[in-house]
Amino acid sequence: LAKTTQPISMDSYEGQEVNITCSHNNIATNDYITWYQQFPSQGPRFIIQGYKTKVTNEVASLFIPADRKSSTLSLPRVSLSDTAVYYCLVATMNTGFQKLVFGTGTRLLVSP
Amino acid sequence: DTGVSQNPRHKITKRGQNVTFRCDPISEHNRLYWYRQTLGQGPEFLTYFQNEAQLEKSRLLSDRFSAERPKGSFSTLEIQRTEQGDSAMYLCASSHPATGELFFGEGSRLTVL
Repeated sequence: LAKTTQPISMDSYEGQEVNITCSHNNIATNDYITWYQQFPSQGPRFIIQGYKTKVTNEVASLFIPADRKSSTLSLPRVSLSDTAVYYCLVATMNTGFQKLVFGTGTRLLVSP
Repeated sequence: DTGVSQNPRHKITKRGQNVTFRCDPISEHNRLYWYRQTLGQGPEFLTYFQNEAQLEKSRLLSDRFSAERPKGSFSTLEIQRTEQGDSAMYLCASSHPATGELFFGEGSRLTVL
């Protein structure tokens, strides 16, 4: 499984756009990138998943360059409730067993 | 609520005692996972079931740990002769066969005194 590297922490203010970049230099052809969000005392929650270019949903956008060695999670206009830990993971693109390997994630703190 | 359900949410026990956690996955999900998370760290994979078959176990899962998923529905994780190092949040997740997306429960927090 490809190892991911992301910043340990980030700070932002309400209303700003937050971009969290993750590097995954050893990503394999069959791997896709997925991001999870975790609040204290809760299990992680799926945010977004992508393979290449750009993916957007109601919560976030995911930008993946052509070489796929990195990805950027973009959270538009964050609010205080976006304060959480964000995990970047890579996993094999199939519908079978997914042994997701979590790192320590990026702790995002949104201030008023 | 049709999410992943775990109980108990909190368990305090004395060292040497046995504890059991239960996970009820989303009904149409045939894959079930157990993870363990300690403070400040990301979740660590423990084991995985596809239906009732336990297909992979982490080296983190010592002989004191055992997981079952009878009939491919709910799952239990038992820890025998608990140690203080077992104190952690135990997370269960299930995944849809089509998308593979993991849905986590809220976890069972274990404190071993």
